[in-house]
Amino acid sequence: AQSVTQLDSHVSVSEGTPVLLRCNYSSSYSPSLFWYVQHPNKGLQLLLKYTSAATLVKGINGFEAEFKKSETSFHLTKPSAHMSDAAEYFCVVSEARFGNEKLTFGTGTRLTIIP
Amino acid sequence: GAVVSQHPSWVICKSGTSVKIECRSLDFQATTMFWYRQFPKQSLMLMATSNEGSKATYEQGVEKDKFLINHASLTLSTLTVTSAHPEDSSFYICSARAPLAGVSTDTQYFGPGTRLTVL
Repeated sequence: AQSVTQLDSHVSVSEGTPVLLRCNYSSSYSPSLFWYVQHPNKGLQLLLKYTSAATLVKGINGFEAEFKKSETSFHLTKPSAHMSDAAEYFCVVSEARFGNEKLTFGTGTRLTIIP
Repeated sequence: GAVVSQHPSWVICKSGTSVKIECRSLDFQATTMFWYRQFPKQSLMLMATSNEGSKATYEQGVEKDKFLINHASLTLSTLTVTSAHPEDSSFYICSARAPLAGVSTDTQYFGPGTRLTVL
């Protein structure tokens, strides 16, 4: 069974400072990992994904995440926060076996940017 | 590319009525679509997986007779909430998988969601 834990339900950072959103996963197989962002009353937008290629994954809007198998982590980072980054972020794990893919979502981290 | 739309974006209905939500993949063919439900300030919960031309697979605890899913074409899936009640009020989000040749793990692309309020 797969699961994902987002360690912080809420993160606040000042504009221009680094962002770190933490995610740990559990998977019986080689997982695929995703970060999605959701702005208020909007659908989810894919930020980046890891699918067993390079462990450091670069996404959109300056975000990146590093897959660390030894730590079972996939933390999301950004060097400098922007006001438009304020949103809900979901870490997602997927195990694709026998052609069936099921996404398991973390509980989300609400990112607040302080002007 | 890989745009998914939902219609309507919001709907208010009376208790006991049925509501249909459409999910369309606009620029790709989606063999599989997924329906999620999201309660306020909570994560997404998978309701069902819909494969084109076959019956949907429902997650445990989801009433298949209440949440009717039809995936009649490679670009359209519909979710009908039958005899809706206030507890069905929620944010419903669909996603579509855009399969990549030779890759077993595919990315899901999400629609903007439909907010259902049942009075």
